[in-house]
Amino acid sequence: QKEVEQNSGPLSVPEGAIASLNCTYSDRVSQSFFWYRQYSGKSPELIMSIYSNGDKEDGRFTAQLNKASQYVSLLIRDSQPSDSATYLCAVNNGNGNQFYFGTGTSLTVIP
Amino acid sequence: NAGVTQTPKFQVLKTGQSMTLQCAQDMNHNSMYWYRQDPGMGLRLIYYSASEGTTDKGEVPNGYNVSRLNKREFSLRLESAAPSQTSVYFCASSEWGEWETQYFGPGTRLLVL
Repeated sequence: QKEVEQNSGPLSVPEGAIASLNCTYSDRVSQSFFWYRQYSGKSPELIMSIYSNGDKEDGRFTAQLNKASQYVSLLIRDSQPSDSATYLCAVNNGNGNQFYFGTGTSLTVIP
Repeated sequence: NAGVTQTPKFQVLKTGQSMTLQCAQDMNHNSMYWYRQDPGMGLRLIYYSASEGTTDKGEVPNGYNVSRLNKREFSLRLESAAPSQTSVYFCASSEWGEWETQYFGPGTRLLVL
């Protein structure tokens, strides 16, 4: 079983809609959770981190964490064509330097 | 601040050749990482260095060696390249603390023929 699982997509949403990206993880001791955005041919860029159960909002982005369900999600409100990218979920198990990444969900925002 | 830099950007090797990928960061981070990214496989950790003078294996270390030259620099060496090592390689760094986040370099695209 993979440490971190994401639907590969592609996920398509119209401009202005809410995009919902989901991620599950297998290790219950995981402590910190991250969402990265990766444009085609570019490196991953950190957009959100979340450490406690509940919601964390940053501009148009909201990360949601449910440790009991081992589930983390990212909502993008008022989606823009510039949000079209692959979104990577990453988990740190609290054992220092071991980060585990999902395979990413490809998002396309249609103008 | 340049952040994390990697050289070269692109490299073509023949099977059996060796090469070293260079990485440097100017953020005074303690931890550095090497990942490879393959289609459908996501990012996989090759090696990491928690601090200067230490290195540890990640998920896919076979065929690679690393050197943490100093706090700024962390190199990845392929001693005898194989086609299976064709990939995009990313270096990253992070600050050690209770909650770590990583910052990635621009990547090196490696093609092994």
